[in-house]
Amino acid sequence: DGGITQSPKYLFRKEGQNVTLSCEQNLNHDAMYWYRQDPGQGLRLIYYSQIVNDFQKGDIAEGYSVSREKKESFPLTVTSAQKNPTAFYLCASSTSPASIYFGEGSWLTVV
Amino acid sequence: AQTVTQSQPEMSVQEAETVTLSCTYDTSENNYYLFWYKQPPSRQMILVIRQEAYKQQNATENRFSVNFQKAAKSFSLKISDSQLGDTAMYFCAFILTGGGNKLTFGTGTQLKVEL
Repeated sequence: DGGITQSPKYLFRKEGQNVTLSCEQNLNHDAMYWYRQDPGQGLRLIYYSQIVNDFQKGDIAEGYSVSREKKESFPLTVTSAQKNPTAFYLCASSTSPASIYFGEGSWLTVV
Repeated sequence: AQTVTQSQPEMSVQEAETVTLSCTYDTSENNYYLFWYKQPPSRQMILVIRQEAYKQQNATENRFSVNFQKAAKSFSLKISDSQLGDTAMYFCAFILTGGGNKLTFGTGTQLKVEL
């Protein structure tokens, strides 16, 4: 089946630790996005990539890093510089602005 | 910068009744798309309806329809014959046409459909 796969579904991070969230899509989409969702807020854009080996910062990129070495993969690393990483993270991909698909999300909790 | 505002944090409606969720946005551009997404407790983002700014006709999808007022920068969602399964968070979102643009979301409206 075509779609977007995010893993893991649940992840726990210790203070000072980097963690990586995986996002894979088999839709042959050029563009991929990472969003963060906190309670009472909408989705906020962390990073996005329009093409392989290129990506741009979104509204809240501090403390995060990404790579886009393959068209189908766009992993997000939450670094120790991100002081409040506990949130729900959503990955998305699109082939045009009119059609954006979302993964099922990953929960990250700091312990 | 584009902004999206949803002024109703929570709403409730009786089953089978009609409810309207409000959304306003701000942009100086002319070409864009507007969306309503539904997010049930599973957190999956589900596209409800999409409107292209250059189309004057309001989009409809079964029980869901929009009232798109471009001059007023308003984009409300009407749900007719509300069902229990409509209970969810609803997000209004905006994106400029053309490449390299980002989808901007409002803060959401939690809709509860009651018996």
